[in-house]
Amino acid sequence: KQEVTQIPAALSVPEGENLVLNCSFTDSAIYNLQWFRQDPGKGLTSLLLIQSSQREQTSGRLNASLDKSSGRSTLYIAASQPGDSATYLCAVRQRGEKLTFGTGTRLTIIP
Amino acid sequence: GAGVSQSPSNKVTEKGKDVELRCDPISGHTALYWYRQSLGQGLEFLIYFQGNSAPDKSGLPSDRFSAERTGGSVSTLTIQRTQQEDSAVYLCASSPTGGGFYGYTFGSGTRLTVV
Repeated sequence: KQEVTQIPAALSVPEGENLVLNCSFTDSAIYNLQWFRQDPGKGLTSLLLIQSSQREQTSGRLNASLDKSSGRSTLYIAASQPGDSATYLCAVRQRGEKLTFGTGTRLTIIP
Repeated sequence: GAGVSQSPSNKVTEKGKDVELRCDPISGHTALYWYRQSLGQGLEFLIYFQGNSAPDKSGLPSDRFSAERTGGSVSTLTIQRTQQEDSAVYLCASSPTGGGFYGYTFGSGTRLTVV
């Protein structure tokens, strides 16, 4: 059974700093991995989607990497801003249509 | 529409009553998913629809839960005889096709509170 873990569970950093969020999964037989952010009381906003054949994806200040063989993905946020404060979730898709979500990292950017 | 629309945004119901939650996917998206987000439980898969194929109901927690998708568009998740443990945020997502190759777009969810 696939298990997805995100460490740390919570992170606070001063504005302007670069930071890395981690996601690990136990079964490397995945089709893709997606990073989402969730604001309090809101749904999920898709950030980056990495197919299993890809190593990384970039969008603006965000860069996500995928090392499938080691079961790891990282989300790098450059020059953090208070608006980046949210919970970040990673999710993997294996055979079938179900996404398995991580436990989330609650990020707080301190102005 | 521009995004996935869910209604109602909030629902408070008495234990034992039935509730219906609605999801309007992005127009043209053939794949539709329901997930549940419970406090301390994270997000769990409930059901998946793809076109006219039989839905994947493997995530439904009990026979009190059912869902349908009419005309390949709007979906309704029904919970019968609600229990307090059903309290959660119910999220709907859609995708242009199955397989998640193009990623998933989630709605804002319905927060269900059973009292």
